[in-house]
Amino acid sequence: GAVVSQHPSRVICKSGTSVKIECRSLDFQATTMFWYRQFPKQSLMLMATSNEGSKATYEQGVEKDKFLINHASLTLSTLTVTSAHPEDSSFYICSATGTSGGYEQFFGPGTRLTVL
Amino acid sequence: QKEVEQNSGPLSVPEGAIASLNCTYSDRGSQSFFWYRQYSGKSPELIMFIYSNGDKEDGRFTAQLNKASQYVSLLIRDSQPRASAPYLCAVNPQAGTALIFGKGTTLSVSS
Repeated sequence: GAVVSQHPSRVICKSGTSVKIECRSLDFQATTMFWYRQFPKQSLMLMATSNEGSKATYEQGVEKDKFLINHASLTLSTLTVTSAHPEDSSFYICSATGTSGGYEQFFGPGTRLTVL
Repeated sequence: QKEVEQNSGPLSVPEGAIASLNCTYSDRGSQSFFWYRQYSGKSPELIMFIYSNGDKEDGRFTAQLNKASQYVSLLIRDSQPRASAPYLCAVNPQAGTALIFGKGTTLSVSS
């Protein structure tokens, strides 16, 4: 149980285009989903916290107009990188907590974004 | 600002030895503590979590928590080469909030 999927697993796009990444909880309802970004040789950095049906909360320094997050249902959150540039190339990972409100988070497999 | 500190390593141990990974955290009110292993190009894989002071054992792994010292560690017994990877310590200040990750310690087990 507690499986989180991400799609796509890998994407290459041209500079200036937009990319949508999906995060789904497959066998549980996710009250809260988190989006992290990881650059090479660095740790995971939280970008934003997403609660179903409400606006996402962004961390300091993360542009909310560039990284659009939609948490339309208890099983799906999407991250759209708008007008992507090479410096947005990174490993994007989502995680989710269940409706029970426990401490454990369940991570998706990640999406590798490369912007040319 | 809430921080989680780890020695970046690499921590090198011979096959069969005990590896000891350490982590300190700044938020005294933190409630839960996690150890993840992350192979290259993959998402973090949960090794263990611990909520209470003391030791918690699971197979080759033992997590140790000392809230008074704000210190959490992970011991890996009988280390194998396939265990070589960065190990991330993560702290959850409270239920439902995001994890705060350390920068990770790279473990290298030589055969």
